[in-house]
Amino acid sequence: DAKTTQPTSMDCAEGRAANLPCNHSTISGNEYVYWYRQIHSQGPQYIIHGLKNNETNEMASLIITEDRKSSTLILPHATLRDTAVYYCIARSEKLVFGKGTKLTVNP
Amino acid sequence: SQTIHQWPATLVQPVGSPLSLECTVEGTSNPNLYWYRQAAGRGLQLLFYSVGIGQISSEVPQNLSASRPQDRQFILSSKKLLLSDSGFYLCAWSSTVQGGYTFGSGTRLTVV
Repeated sequence: DAKTTQPTSMDCAEGRAANLPCNHSTISGNEYVYWYRQIHSQGPQYIIHGLKNNETNEMASLIITEDRKSSTLILPHATLRDTAVYYCIARSEKLVFGKGTKLTVNP
Repeated sequence: SQTIHQWPATLVQPVGSPLSLECTVEGTSNPNLYWYRQAAGRGLQLLFYSVGIGQISSEVPQNLSASRPQDRQFILSSKKLLLSDSGFYLCAWSSTVQGGYTFGSGTRLTVV
């Protein structure tokens, strides 16, 4: 699976959009981009995934660049409950977690 | 709907004691099952995965073992716990290896 690079931490104001970047410059054609988050002391929660096209669901939007070397997870209106570690994973098979981005949503 | 159960939620065990953590999945058949561990302040590490009864793959050598005696049951065991076995243990399942994973609520193990 391709290695991903994410910022260690980010801050966002409550009610504003949170844009979490992820670099996966070595991603191969059959690898999907998955996003999970882990709220403190809980199991990871699936957010969204995509291959080439941008994706949107009730939780978030995923924007993948045309060359697929990077992507951005967008939480359109962040709330305090969105404070968590967000993991970007480029995978073809098993889910292998990196260090993720610690997102803190501030009131 | 599918659900995943893990127990116990917390566990305190002395060094050298055995361990058995159980994970069961309901509402699906032939799931892929996974055990992860998260040591304090560390990332999630995949320990074992299973694509079928009796089929176990180990990702890292360690003091732990896994078994899948039934289709929807996954057990993590140790004969003698070490202090370094402390951590947050998570079970997960997926319908395919490439599919999305659903995680259980985890077991927080403290070895003393």
